Amino acid sequence: QSALTQPASVSGSPGQSVTISCTGTSSDVGAYNYVSWYQQHPGKAPKLMIYDVTKRPSGVSNRFSGSKSGNTASLTISGLQAEDEANYYCCSYAGSTSFVVFGGGTKLTVL
Amino acid sequence: EVQLVQSGAEVKKPGESLKISCKGSGYTFTDYWIGWVRQMPGKGLEWLGIIYTGDSDTRYSPSFQGQVTMSADKSITTAYLQWSSLKASDTAMYYCGRRVGGAGTNAYDVWGQGTMVTVSS
Repeated sequence: QSALTQPASVSGSPGQSVTISCTGTSSDVGAYNYVSWYQQHPGKAPKLMIYDVTKRPSGVSNRFSGSKSGNTASLTISGLQAEDEANYYCCSYAGSTSFVVFGGGTKLTVL
Repeated sequence: EVQLVQSGAEVKKPGESLKISCKGSGYTFTDYWIGWVRQMPGKGLEWLGIIYTGDSDTRYSPSFQGQVTMSADKSITTAYLQWSSLKASDTAMYYCGRRVGGAGTNAYDVWGQGTMVTVSS
């Protein structure tokens, strides 16, 4: 069982928006503004999409955005494109004992 | 070009030892932490730990403390992940990633291509 809870799957049609949630606790997501999101296509290494809850690395489309409310962080993908179909993982700092925890991952299907 | 290049796939027997590598290039190696992530077949990402390549300071996930050892040789800009006695349950893809930002930030902006470790009798 993963430390952070994500839906197993979400889907959307091209052009639509989808939101992936990531629920933790007051010891990880709720305690720190250190949530990141990774995209992983099958057989490939993860790719950083969002870090520090809302920051987007250079080169990542502005269609990707992050937010947080309480113990739940969210990744929103707007204007869905076929190439967005992938697995998405959230990740949070969890303090000086556990350090880093990942979510179980969400499979995004573009219909 | 900033990149991390990992060593090739390994097939080992239970009880054997193993050391896999992650070589950084295109940036000042000793300015960054390198983290390691496990992905078992068909499963999600798990964080093993992180090493500061400047002085080899390490942090391990409680789940992996004592199970793996991280090290770095800054003279050849390479980080390592090693096992002293492999188990079948260590079968997985292992990725290294370069962490950017300060303490707490878990932003890994550059990743290696992954090293597949298979442990089978």
